[in-house]
Parts: sequence; structure tokens; C-alpha cells
Amino acid sequence: AQTVTQSQPEMSVQEAETVTLSCTYDTSESDYYLFWYKQPPSRQMILVIRQEAYKQQNATENRFSVNFQKAAKSFSLKISDSQLGDAAMYFCAFRPGFGNEKLTFGTGTRLTIIP
Amino acid sequence: EADIYQTPRYLVIGTGKKITLECSQTMGHDKMYWYQQDPGMELHLIHYSYGVNSTEKGDLSSESTVSRIRTEHFPLTLESARPSHTSQYLCASSSPSGRPYNEQFFGPGTRLTVL
Repeated sequence: AQTVTQSQPEMSVQEAETVTLSCTYDTSESDYYLFWYKQPPSRQMILVIRQEAYKQQNATENRFSVNFQKAAKSFSLKISDSQLGDAAMYFCAFRPGFGNEKLTFGTGTRLTIIP
Repeated sequence: EADIYQTPRYLVIGTGKKITLECSQTMGHDKMYWYQQDPGMELHLIHYSYGVNSTEKGDLSSESTVSRIRTEHFPLTLESARPSHTSQYLCASSSPSGRPYNEQFFGPGTRLTVL
């Protein structure tokens, strides 16, 4: 069974600054996917960024990037140039490789943006 | 526009009532999921379906039941609601296996309160 740990229940960052949210996971799988999901208050959960375990290159989506350290089983999210719209709960999630698509979520990090 | 819909968005109901939470998707996805999420907490998978007439229980035990008679429709039913069922219920769907990045797309959720 997999576990996903987010050790920061809450984080805050000044607008336009950079913040890093941490996530660690534990698995015996060799093939898997990692995701960061964003859940704004009272709004739909959306995918922010994904990473395939077999890719060494860190994923990047505009202002969002990850630091994927496979040996350390670490998957942190960096948000650059933080904006007010980034305020949300952020969930790290793990999914084994093809054939098993069940997601295991971390407990989430609530990100506050300070104007 | 392809999307995933949940109704009702909010439901307050008395103990003992039978309720059905609706979930529909127009994305052409074959896989659908139900998650339970307490406020500010992680999501727990309670049911999933890989296609019509296919339903499985998830990792978190739930007294709810689901059905999948049509590809686009995945309702969740509680025969007799109790205060312990108070939570948010999120529906999700994902694209067919074999494609990369078959991420899960989430509905807006139903916030259920049982008095």
C-alpha cells in the first residue's frame, strides 16, 4: 500500500514571491505517477501538474514546477510569482502505473497568499 | 462543453432519509470514482467503476452504494442517512487506459449534512 505525506498543513507567501510545498511518499512500485491538485475554496478540484516516475526531468507548467527526487521519494511543488488566485488547498497524490488508477492523496496544504 | 456535474451541490437532510447523489460526465470517460472528504482533510476513495455494470468498493469503507447503468452516470445512494455521513462527496472520472496522463477530472462536489 502507498502512503502520501504532506507535512505542512498551512503555508503562506507574499504575493509575487515563491513558495515550495513539500510531499513525500512511500511505495514499493517502480512505475507510478505523481500529481499536484489544487482545490480553491468552494470550487472544483483541478490538476496543477503531473510527473511520471520514469522521467528524470522535472515537470513544469508555467509558474508551477516540481522537484522530483525518486530515490528520496520526494515530490515538492514550487509556485513562482505567487498570485492571489493561487490561494487554495493543494493535494499531492500518487497513482500506480497502468492498470491501477486509484489515487492516494496526502492530507493537503492550505496556501494563503498575502497581498 | 465536456465536463463533470454533481447535483445537488448542498444537501441538508434528516436522519433516516434515503438520498441519492447524482454524478454525470460528458467527457466520454469509462472510469468513474467517488471520494469522501471531510472539511480540510484528504480525499478517501469509497467507490469506483471501470465501466457499465462494473462497481468496486474503494479503500474507505462506506455504507453507501453505487450503480453504473450508463457510461455517463454514476449515482451514489445512502439508504438511511446518519449524522456520521456528513461530509463532502466528490465524483471524478478518467480517460481510457493506455493513454498517458489519464488524469482524474473532478466534479464540484456535494456537501451533505445529516441532522
